[in-house]
Amino acid sequence: KQEVTQIPAALSVPEGENLVLNCSFTDSAIYNLQWFRQDPGKGLTSLLLIQSSQREQTSGRLNASLDKSSGRSTLYIAASQPGDSATYLCAVPLYNNNDMRFGAGTRLTVKP
Amino acid sequence: NAGVMQNPRHLVRRRGQEARLRCSPMKGHSHVYWYRQLPEEGLKFMVYLQKENIIDESGMPKERFSAEFPKEGPSILRIQQVVRGDSAAYFCASSPPDRGNTEAFFGQGTRLTVV
Repeated sequence: KQEVTQIPAALSVPEGENLVLNCSFTDSAIYNLQWFRQDPGKGLTSLLLIQSSQREQTSGRLNASLDKSSGRSTLYIAASQPGDSATYLCAVPLYNNNDMRFGAGTRLTVKP
Repeated sequence: NAGVMQNPRHLVRRRGQEARLRCSPMKGHSHVYWYRQLPEEGLKFMVYLQKENIIDESGMPKERFSAEFPKEGPSILRIQQVVRGDSAAYFCASSPPDRGNTEAFFGQGTRLTVV
């Protein structure tokens, strides 16, 4: 059974810091892994999708890595800004294609 | 492409009433997924539908909850006789047929409050 865990649950950093969010999954047989951002009271915005054959994906100040064998993914945010404050969720689709397992998220606060 | 559209954004119901949540998938997407997010928790899968078919409803409570995706019109998640514990954010996602390697797109969600 696929379990997705995100550490830490909450993180507070001063503006300008580089930071790493962690996501781990128990079953390494995944199609891909997706990172989302969720603002309070809002929906999910897709940030990055890493296919199982890829090691990393980059978008602007965001870099996501994937290590299937160890069941881990990290989201690296460079030069954090107050606008980055949100909850970051990682998710993996199951092989049956019907379910997407989400972590509980990391709530990030970037202080000006 | 307007993206995945959900309405209403906010819904307040009294205990015992019915709640109807609507989801229009992205253009070209024939698969719809419903998720529920309880406060301070991650998203939990409820049901997966294609046009006129329920493919997997393993995450949906057996009683009071139902879902449909008719040939024409949006997908509907229906909750009958709502209780306080139904208060949550309900999200809909859509994808093209080959879900496995594609990005999932989510709507803005419907926040249901049962009073």
